[in-house]
Amino acid sequence: AQTVTQSQPEMSVQEAETVTLSCTYDTSESDYYLFWYKQPPSRQMILVIRQEAYKQQNATENRFSVNFQKAAKSFSLKISDSQLGDAAMYFCAYRTPYGSSNTGKLIFGQGTTLQVKP
Amino acid sequence: GAGVSQSPRYKVAKRGQDVALRCDPISGHVSLFWYQQALGQGPEFLTYFQNEAQLDKSGLPSDRFFAERPEGSVSTLKIQRTQQEDSAVYLCASSSQPQGSQETQYFGPGTRLLVL
Repeated sequence: AQTVTQSQPEMSVQEAETVTLSCTYDTSESDYYLFWYKQPPSRQMILVIRQEAYKQQNATENRFSVNFQKAAKSFSLKISDSQLGDAAMYFCAYRTPYGSSNTGKLIFGQGTTLQVKP
Repeated sequence: GAGVSQSPRYKVAKRGQDVALRCDPISGHVSLFWYQQALGQGPEFLTYFQNEAQLDKSGLPSDRFFAERPEGSVSTLKIQRTQQEDSAVYLCASSSQPQGSQETQYFGPGTRLLVL
């Protein structure tokens, strides 16, 4: 079974600085998708960034980028120029491609609470 | 509406009561997922619908949990004879199609259920 592990329950960063959130996963599949979701205290889960496993190039979305190491099964999120609005819980998630035995459900890590200090 | 909506946002139930949680997915979205999120934890999969067909209910924790999507749009998650361990936030997510690299799940705000 696939698993996702986030080993940092809490992280803290100074405003305008850079922070990296870690995520590792375990799977025997070669084709899959990885996501980072943000969940502010209001609890609406918002997609931050996604990565297709077959793509070697790391995904980037404005201040957010990932370091995807497929062989190491590692998928970290880097937030540059941190802003107060980045404070939230961040979840790493794994999804198998939809197929006869997969429904595309997301498997989430335990989450990392990010605090941004002014 | 523009996004996934859920109602009620908060529900307090006495142990043993039945509850019904509603999810309105984004219009036209084929796939619908239910997740359960315990306090301070990541969401865990409950069940999946493709249109009106429930294709995966492997995550439902007991036979007290039942979900339906009779017309392929709105979905209801029903919990019978609620127990204290059912207290959690229940999240609904929808996506436009089950296949394809552009599939992204969009989440609703969740229903926070407290069983006393």
